[in-house]
This record gives sequence, structure tokens and C-alpha cells, in this order.
Amino acid sequence: EAQVTQNPRYLITVTGKKLTVTCSQNMNHEYMSWYRQDPGLGLRQIYYSMNVEVTDKGDVPEGYKVSRKEKRNFPLILESPSPNQTSLYFCASSTRQEPLSYNEQFFGPGTRLTVL
Amino acid sequence: AQKITQTQPGMFVQEKEAVTLDCTYDTSDPSYGLFWYKQPSSGEMIFLIYQGSYDQQNATEGRYSLNFQKARKSANLVISATQLGDSAMYFCHWGGGSQGNLIFGKGTKLSVKP
Repeated sequence: EAQVTQNPRYLITVTGKKLTVTCSQNMNHEYMSWYRQDPGLGLRQIYYSMNVEVTDKGDVPEGYKVSRKEKRNFPLILESPSPNQTSLYFCASSTRQEPLSYNEQFFGPGTRLTVL
Repeated sequence: AQKITQTQPGMFVQEKEAVTLDCTYDTSDPSYGLFWYKQPSSGEMIFLIYQGSYDQQNATEGRYSLNFQKARKSANLVISATQLGDSAMYFCHWGGGSQGNLIFGKGTKLSVKP
């Protein structure tokens, strides 16, 4: 089954304790992205990756890190989480089509993170 | 920078009636796609419909259609014959250009009344 998986689905942690949210897709997609969703703000892009070893900042990258060592995996790292990073996080992937446009994104189920 | 605007934070519609959810965008890129996603209360993101900037005809997918007016930079979602299960958040989304920065609107919460 074609899917994007995220782990964990729910996480409660404390300020300053490093954490990683994993994301994996089995569709051989080039493009992967992380979003956070907050009430009234919609989805805001944190980081994206056009392909292996290629990552770039989205609209709200502060406090987050990513890496793309393999095509299927795109982990999100919070080195020192703070309460303002409490949010619902989505990973997504898609193919790209030429010229320079995008296909639909496939979303993971979301990770609800609470930082105390 | 690209921008997506959804001006309706919340909407109500009577079951079986049609509803239009507004979306306007601002871009200088000639090639792009516009997408609509549905997010029910369970939280998952469900792809509904796609319109490419070069598509000559408006996209349709079952009860969903996209009223694409390129000159006005609008891409409104029309849901016909609404059902109770259509109650959800709906997000308009822009993707395109040479960069990978993809933009979502803030969403419209649709409530279908029986």
C-alpha cells in the first residue's frame, strides 16, 4: 500500500529534550516536506526536500532541523523543543512534473506534539 | 512571494445544496498547480482536486469542481449536493515555480446542516 508513515503519532515532552519525528514514504517520491498546523493559521511549511541531500527552508524553519540521506526518509529534528512548538505536524511527499509544477501531495497521518 | 487567501473562516450550508469555497492566490510564476484538500475531524489530509495553470478546462472530480479564473487569480471549490460527511476543514494549496516552497491557505471550516 502506497503510504507516508510518521512516528510517533502522539508525543508529550518537556522543554529542551531533543526529539526526532520520523517520516517515511514508499512511493519513490522525490519531494518531501514538513508542515505544522496551528488553529487559525492553516498549514505552514517548515522544511522541504527536492531530492536526496537537497533540503531548504520553508516559511517557519526556526527551531527545526531536517536531513535527507535516503530518498524514502525525511526526519524532523527538534534539538531543543519549546512550548511554542506544540502543534500538529504533517509530513508529505509527492512527485514533481515538468515544467516546474507539482502533483498532489500524499500526507502522513500527523504527529501531535505537546511541549511542556 | 506566493500567497494564498481563503476569506471564509467558516461556512454553513444546508444538506443537498451546493456551496462555493473561495480561494485567491498571488503569484508571478507562469507554471503552477492549485489543489484543494479536505481535513475531517479525524485529522487526515485528503486530496480532492487539482487544476494546472495551463489547463484549458475547469477540473471536476465527482461532486467537486474547481472554478478557475486565471486572470482573477481565483480557484474556488464548488461542492454540489452536499452531504453531512462534507463537514470538514478545506484547504486551498498552491504549488509551482522553480522553488519547493508550497503554500497553503488558512482554511475554511464547512458545516453541513441536516
